Amino acid sequence: SQQGEEDPQALSIQEGENATMNCSYKTSINNLQWYRQNSGRGLVHLILIRSNEREKHSGRLRVTLDTSKKSSSLLITASRAADTASYFCATGFQKLVFGTGTRLLVSP
Amino acid sequence: DAGITQSPRHKVTETGTPVTLRCHQTENHRYMYWYRQDPGHGLRLIHYSYGVKDTDKGEVSDGYSVSRSKTEDFLLTLESATSSQTSVYFCATGQVGGRAYNEQFFGPGTRLTVL
Repeated sequence: SQQGEEDPQALSIQEGENATMNCSYKTSINNLQWYRQNSGRGLVHLILIRSNEREKHSGRLRVTLDTSKKSSSLLITASRAADTASYFCATGFQKLVFGTGTRLLVSP
Repeated sequence: DAGITQSPRHKVTETGTPVTLRCHQTENHRYMYWYRQDPGHGLRLIHYSYGVKDTDKGEVSDGYSVSRSKTEDFLLTLESATSSQTSVYFCATGQVGGRAYNEQFFGPGTRLTVL
């Protein structure tokens, strides 16, 4: 069964807008990661947030974590067409469990 | 994913035939993983390895076996392929613990079709 569930399943926006994706998980975690997958490619790690962190930034990415609600959000600011991809959250330590992903389409 | 290669990249086979997928890494990572990706299911772990000759099952291991005789190679075998094993297979590697945490690095994937 999936540990993480992303919401929404699909998101369509215009270039320059912000994109927000949410992830809910079921059990306690020590960290949560976000990955990006471009069409036909493998996943690429974006950012990791530890359970004792509430917010983390990396370039145009902002991740928040609310362990009391067992949820995380990924915000991509000023989206570009190149951000078009699927985004997955993942939890676990030796073994990662991935959510089903959010498909983001950024139109020029 | 330059340090992780998968072969073959595409394969079409018939039901009942054995199939072996190969993952090769040049990262010297201790951990290696095989996932399958299907629409509506995201990535699901098949098997993983935490060292040479040390492997363990994942969420969807039935019908699959693995072997790791060298740090750099991790083989996934479908003993008798079935149509339900049609999928895209990804290999990943990683280090766990210490400053490396548990980020995983993915190969480019193998698209397997079982007719």
